Amino acid sequence: AQKVTQAQTEISVVEKEDVTLDCVYETRDTTYYLFWYKQPPSGELVFLIRRNSFDEQNEISGRYSWNFQKSTSSFNFTITASQVVDSAVYFCALIGANSKLTFGKGITLSVRP
Amino acid sequence: SAVISQKPSRDICQRGTSLTIQCQVDSQVTMMFWYRQQPGQSLTLIATANQGSEATYESGFVIDKFPISRPNLTFSTLTVSNMSPEDSSIYLCSVAGGLAGQGTDTQYFGPGTRLTVL
Repeated sequence: AQKVTQAQTEISVVEKEDVTLDCVYETRDTTYYLFWYKQPPSGELVFLIRRNSFDEQNEISGRYSWNFQKSTSSFNFTITASQVVDSAVYFCALIGANSKLTFGKGITLSVRP
Repeated sequence: SAVISQKPSRDICQRGTSLTIQCQVDSQVTMMFWYRQQPGQSLTLIATANQGSEATYESGFVIDKFPISRPNLTFSTLTVSNMSPEDSSIYLCSVAGGLAGQGTDTQYFGPGTRLTVL
């Protein structure tokens, strides 16, 4: 069975602060993919990034960066210089050999002006 | 990525009635899925919509309650039958895998349908 744990439930920061969203996963599969999705108040789920289990390179895209560490089964997401538009629920997810996407419970990020 | 639309975007329904939600993609895709997101909760997979055959349901979801159709590679419907207030949720469809050989590991989601049952 696979599991995704997002221990943080709600985070509140002031604009321009950096914030890190934690994600820890469990799987017995050797090949798997990890994802982050953003769900703004409007409700749609926006794909942010996919990482496969063989690629531990960190990735940076603008203000977003992701740190994948197999040794600790973590796939953390950092937003640098946060903005009000970053306010949303962020989901970490995993897909393995069963081809089913397993989501964490999500982290509600509030960025105050 | 594909452009995915859902109809209706939201609805308020009476207990005991049924609602059919449509999911339309602007390109042919291999996989289509339906998820439920109850208020304040994460997403739960209802079923995989199979083109030309019966959907594959997850534990806890049955065809009589959530009949699904997928007549072709760009369209699917989910019906929520005999609704009760507990069915109030966001229902999302997702797609994966274009026929151009793209992998099916990444799912893209539609905008969702917000359902309130009174």
